[in-house]
Amino acid sequence: DAGVTQSPTHLIKTRGQQVTLRCSPKSGHDTVSWYQQALGQGPQFIFQYYEEEERQRGNFPDRFSGHQFPNYSSELNVNALLLGDSALYLCASSSGQVSSYNEQFFGPGTRLTVL
Amino acid sequence: DAKTTQPTSMDCAEGRAANLPCNHSTISGNEYVYWYRQIHSQGPQYIIHGLKNNETNEMASLIITEDRKSSTLILPHATLRDTAVYYCIVRPGGEGGKLIFGQGTELSVKP
Repeated sequence: DAGVTQSPTHLIKTRGQQVTLRCSPKSGHDTVSWYQQALGQGPQFIFQYYEEEERQRGNFPDRFSGHQFPNYSSELNVNALLLGDSALYLCASSSGQVSSYNEQFFGPGTRLTVL
Repeated sequence: DAKTTQPTSMDCAEGRAANLPCNHSTISGNEYVYWYRQIHSQGPQYIIHGLKNNETNEMASLIITEDRKSSTLILPHATLRDTAVYYCIVRPGGEGGKLIFGQGTELSVKP
């Protein structure tokens, strides 16, 4: 079992550009959540996808959008990048419906640097 | 905002038990207490969770007070590999999978 995988590992962009991050959930999982972790801070919830729809969203602007594919993999898109978007972006997968209390499995993250 | 309060940092001697406290005085009746840890440069790792009874697994034990306003994560025999940031999280009841992380406790296990 490969667990949760994310790509790329590292990414450098400039202000104003757009970026797409990818996540493959753990085998058997159908729910994907995305988190942003700034340096020295705990992860902050961005949104969660289940059945190819955004089910929950944190306090992030519309520049942050996502998608879930039929195979449960997911993408996080960020438009008009700002310096403050520099962070570790974490993907987490879980099994079952949104209201379940199942544990979440996290990937290693994508380190995004905006210059 | 996080609904939990944890000490910023703690030290523990290798081989000794590490006891990490967490206050969650506003916890609701249907909310669980979850513990995750994050080793440097890795994604968070699930440790254990509980509702009101004490729980134990191969990694740790979770002790929840009778009034559920606080809990303690116990690593019975800490090793250097347990050095990490430990997050105590109260799972929002009825809000599905969202995890609200606070600052966590940075545990340093020293030889």
